[in-house]
Amino acid sequence: QKEVEQNSGPLSVPEGAIASLNCTYSDRGSQSFFWYRQYSGKSPELIMFIYSNGDKEDGRFTAQLNKASQYVSLLIRDSQPSDSATYLCAVNDNQAGTALIFGKGTTLSVSS
Amino acid sequence: DTEVTQTPKHLVMGMTNKKSLKCEQHMGHRAMYWYKQKAKKPPELMFVYSYEKLSINESVPSRFSPECPNSSLLNLHLHALQPEDSALYLCASSSPPADRAEYNEQFFGPGTRLTVL
Repeated sequence: QKEVEQNSGPLSVPEGAIASLNCTYSDRGSQSFFWYRQYSGKSPELIMFIYSNGDKEDGRFTAQLNKASQYVSLLIRDSQPSDSATYLCAVNDNQAGTALIFGKGTTLSVSS
Repeated sequence: DTEVTQTPKHLVMGMTNKKSLKCEQHMGHRAMYWYKQKAKKPPELMFVYSYEKLSINESVPSRFSPECPNSSLLNLHLHALQPEDSALYLCASSSPPADRAEYNEQFFGPGTRLTVL
């Protein structure tokens, strides 16, 4: 069974620090990797996607992918209280073609 | 514009009612999805429509019936639901080509909060 694993947290960091969120996946055939942010009571918002090994930066966010280790991470620099949310890692289910498999999410709390 | 709209925002229904959830996108996306999300759980895939045809049905009970009238609209018809079906129902869409994994960035609508009494 294809699985995506995340630490549920909560991950607590002070304002201005770097938050590091990690995700591992079981299906070596996975091709696409996504990070969604979800505030309580709201829908998931796509904040980063990565398809190739290495780093991808967008503003304060950096996604890192290591397919050999089946590992993807999200770094949030200069964390703000508004970053407090649940972060969902999602992986493309290669066999299904379009379906995403989600991890259970990591709750991030940024204190001011 | 990466907007997916859903109506209604909230829905309360009895177990004998029939209701429908609606989803719309105008981004030219050719794949649309229904997910169900319970509190403190990740979204669970229910249905996938690709080019207006049902391509994935994740063994969802028949009391949930999807419909894709055209490439911009997706409906979920509800009938004889159970209290355990209360959840946030999310619609998502992704850009073509729907059969290419590396283009599967899915954008979610705001969801419909469903309560079954």
